[in-house]
Amino acid sequence: DGGITQSPKYLFRKEGQNVTLSCEQNLNHDAMYWYRQDPGQGLRLIYYSQIVNDFQKGDIAEGYSVSREKKESFPLTVTSAQKNPTAFYLCASSPQGASGTEAFFGQGTRLTVV
Amino acid sequence: AQSVTQLGSHVSVSEGALVLLRCNYSSSVPPYLFWYVQYPNQGLQLLLKYTTGATLVKGINGFEAEFKKSETSFHLTKPSAHMSDAAEYFCAVSSNTGKLIFGQGTTLQVKP
Repeated sequence: DGGITQSPKYLFRKEGQNVTLSCEQNLNHDAMYWYRQDPGQGLRLIYYSQIVNDFQKGDIAEGYSVSREKKESFPLTVTSAQKNPTAFYLCASSPQGASGTEAFFGQGTRLTVV
Repeated sequence: AQSVTQLGSHVSVSEGALVLLRCNYSSSVPPYLFWYVQYPNQGLQLLLKYTTGATLVKGINGFEAEFKKSETSFHLTKPSAHMSDAAEYFCAVSSNTGKLIFGQGTTLQVKP
């Protein structure tokens, strides 16, 4: 089955730790995105990548980092510099990073700071 | 800059009643518009999208939306609500790089 796989589904982080969220797609899509979801705030874009080895900051990139070494993978690292990381994180991909193309979403990772 | 405003963070309807979820957008270029649905602790699923052509767009699960340029609106409707429609709904506009800009979301409650 083609789709987007995010892992883990639930993740707990201690204060001061870096954690990495995995996102893999087998849809052969060029573009990939990371969104953060908080109650009542909709989805906010963290980072996006339109092609391998290239990515751009979104609206709330501070405290996060990404890499795009392979077309199918776009991992997100939540660093200790992110002061309020508890949220639901969604990864998405689209066939091309162009206007009008729909995005396909993974099932999300819920990150909690303990 | 593009933006989306969803009017009403919570909407409650009775089963069988009309569903109307409101979305207004701001865009300096012809917009591409989307409605997504999210069930608890899951990702987003596309309901429907408007790119060009017919302004009345039909989607999955009996939903439809009408693009009204003069009102900068893209409201989502369904003639008869079902209990399974209870979820959170997001309206989004697409930028020229394919990024989706989302509204705040509307939670739909369906009462028996």
